[in-house]
Amino acid sequence: NAGVTQTPKFQVLKTGQSMTLQCAQDMNHEYMSWYRQDPGMGLRLIHYSVGAGITDQGEVPNGYNVSRSTTEDFPLRLLSAAPSQTSVYFCASSYAPGQYGYTFGSGTRLTVV
Amino acid sequence: AQKVTQAQTEISVVEKEDVTLDCVYETRDTTYYLFWYKQPPSGELVFLIRRNSFDEQNEISGRYSWNFQKSTSSFNFTITASQVVDSAVYFCALSSYYGGATNKLIFGTGTLLAVQP
Repeated sequence: NAGVTQTPKFQVLKTGQSMTLQCAQDMNHEYMSWYRQDPGMGLRLIHYSVGAGITDQGEVPNGYNVSRSTTEDFPLRLLSAAPSQTSVYFCASSYAPGQYGYTFGSGTRLTVV
Repeated sequence: AQKVTQAQTEISVVEKEDVTLDCVYETRDTTYYLFWYKQPPSGELVFLIRRNSFDEQNEISGRYSWNFQKSTSSFNFTITASQVVDSAVYFCALSSYYGGATNKLIFGTGTLLAVQP
C-alpha cells in the first residue's frame, strides 16, 4: 500500500513556466485535496475534490487548476508560475476528512525564480 | 467562520521537561472535529489524534495527552518527559459537520517545538 504518492519531490521553475504536480492514492478515497504550506501561515487549502469529475476551490485557488478524471489521481497545474507560488505543496486524501482527517503525501517543494 | 489559533510560534525545552502546545478554535457549529498533526524535520505530516465535539474526555497515549475543553474552545496537547525525537512542527486543525461530511480541514499556523538534549 503506497498511500498518497506525490511527484516530483523538488522542482525549480522559472517565472511564467507551467507544470503539473502529480498526486495519486491507492486507498480508494473519494476526497482529495491540495494544500500549500508557507512559513508562518500553516496549511492553506488550494483545491479539493469530493469524487471523480467533481472539484471545487479552496482558500487560495488563484493560479492553480485541478481536474479529477479518476478516483486515484488529482493533479495540480500551475499555468504560469509566479514567485509567490514558491511553497511546499501537499496532496491529501481521505474517506471522510471532516471526521477522520487526511492522509498526506510527502510533499513537493517548489521554487519559482 | 472557522478559525484555529496556535499562539505559540516556537517553543524550546530541555529534554525531559513537560511541554504544552496550545490550540484555540472558533466555530459556530455544534458538531465538529479537532485534529493534531506532527511534522518532523523530514517534512511529512503525521496524524496524531482526532476528537469530536461530543467527546470531552481527555486522551492519553504514552507520553502524549490531549485536553479538550469546549468551555474555553481549546484542544491543548501535552508532551510529558519530552525527547529530542519530539522536535517537530505541530499543527492543530478543525473541521465542522454541516449535516453531512465536510471535506475541509482548517489548520492553525503551527508550533515549532525544539527539544534540546
